[in-house]
Amino acid sequence: EVQLLESGGGLVLPGGSPRLSCAASGFSFSTSAMSWVRQAPGKGLEWVSSISGNGAATDYADSVKGRFTTSRDNSKNTLYLQMDGLRDEDTAAYYCVRNSDAGGKNFFAYWGQGTLVTVSS
Amino acid sequence: DIQMTQSPSSVSASVGDRVTITCRASQGITSWLAWFQQKPGKAPSLLIYGASTLQSGVPSRFSGSGFGTDFTLTITNLQPEDFATYYCLQGYGFPRTFGQGTKVEI
Repeated sequence: EVQLLESGGGLVLPGGSPRLSCAASGFSFSTSAMSWVRQAPGKGLEWVSSISGNGAATDYADSVKGRFTTSRDNSKNTLYLQMDGLRDEDTAAYYCVRNSDAGGKNFFAYWGQGTLVTVSS
Repeated sequence: DIQMTQSPSSVSASVGDRVTITCRASQGITSWLAWFQQKPGKAPSLLIYGASTLQSGVPSRFSGSGFGTDFTLTITNLQPEDFATYYCLQGYGFPRTFGQGTKVEI
């Protein structure tokens, strides 16, 4: 069974630098591209970032480019989101998502439960 | 960037109704389109990928169609558990982009 468990959220001061983690199990993590998706309270879904299976390629939304860094440790089956220079508008639930199986099957089928990051002084 | 325009933003319906939601991409995305259902306080759940492939375990009253720029999610015989918010997502290029969402209300 595919499981994704995020952690690291909480109340953060503006300008803070928390790191989110996503522990993965139940699938071949090292061959799976992964993504982060966020959702501000009462708002829609926003794709944040994706990373390839070997970690060599990353992509970011313009809203976080230069402030957020996605990485992974395939030896620990863990995905990370380093968030720097947080702003009020970064307040959101952050979801870890497995991209897909080969050929696009199960595209964004597996999501974690989400971890809430609240940016406030 | 590929913009996804989803409509309507909300729809009022009754049990047994047929509901249609559309997403239009600002450029061609072939069939790289997925549909999700989200209920309050929960993570989104995949319904359709590849524009028309029903995800395993999803009831057959959900169906998707389209190719290129225009896509449709249809729910036939609406059930009480279908009242939720629905989103489309394009997987053709980066940045990935979601539609704005459609709330299906009683």
